[in-house]
Amino acid sequence: GENVEQHPSTLSVQEGDSAVIKCTYSDSASNYFPWYKQELGKRPQLIIDIRSNVGEKKDQRIAVTLNKTAKHFSLHITETQPEDSAVYFCAASMESGGSYIPTFGRGTSLIVHP
Amino acid sequence: DAGVIQSPRHEVTEMGQEVTLRCKPISGHDYLFWYRQTMMRGLELLIYFNNNVPIDDSGMPEDRFSAKMPNASFSTLKIQPSEPRDSAVYFCASAGAGAYGNTIYFGEGSWLTVV
Repeated sequence: GENVEQHPSTLSVQEGDSAVIKCTYSDSASNYFPWYKQELGKRPQLIIDIRSNVGEKKDQRIAVTLNKTAKHFSLHITETQPEDSAVYFCAASMESGGSYIPTFGRGTSLIVHP
Repeated sequence: DAGVIQSPRHEVTEMGQEVTLRCKPISGHDYLFWYRQTMMRGLELLIYFNNNVPIDDSGMPEDRFSAKMPNASFSTLKIQPSEPRDSAVYFCASAGAGAYGNTIYFGEGSWLTVV
């Protein structure tokens, strides 16, 4: 089955700095890569996703990049703010019975210091 | 829609007791997932259903765990007997079918402590 590795496990930055979280996946059949944000004590929620037919996607201060050849994808957060502090999960998905079942990474705890 | 609804939100139980976690998915969603989250293992997929049918239960840790989905609006995850190592947050999630990639919507989680 699919295996997703996520690094780093913890990332500490100063407010205003950029943060980068990297993930690798093992199955070349994976073609959908969502990112979820989980604030302390809350549920994970989708913040951005990328499909395998594009290499980059941006949404305001966050962007994702995908390198299918190398089987890795990354989340970039610019101008970090304290409210960005959370656990971020990457996932790799492939089609299964009409839907996409994700395999999640272990998560990255991002801490943004004011 | 109220989103995915889970109950109980918090439960403390003694080792050996039966625990039942409940979930109501978002109306119209064909997929329902049960995840377990711990510091050590992150988010683990335990089982998922498609149209009320269990598709993959390979993540269920052992026979003490069982899950059912008797209809499209209700699912249970049962642990019997419970053990301290079962302490975790259990998330139920649902997703629609079709389209190219689906957003998974998580419930708020059931925080289980087994003492």
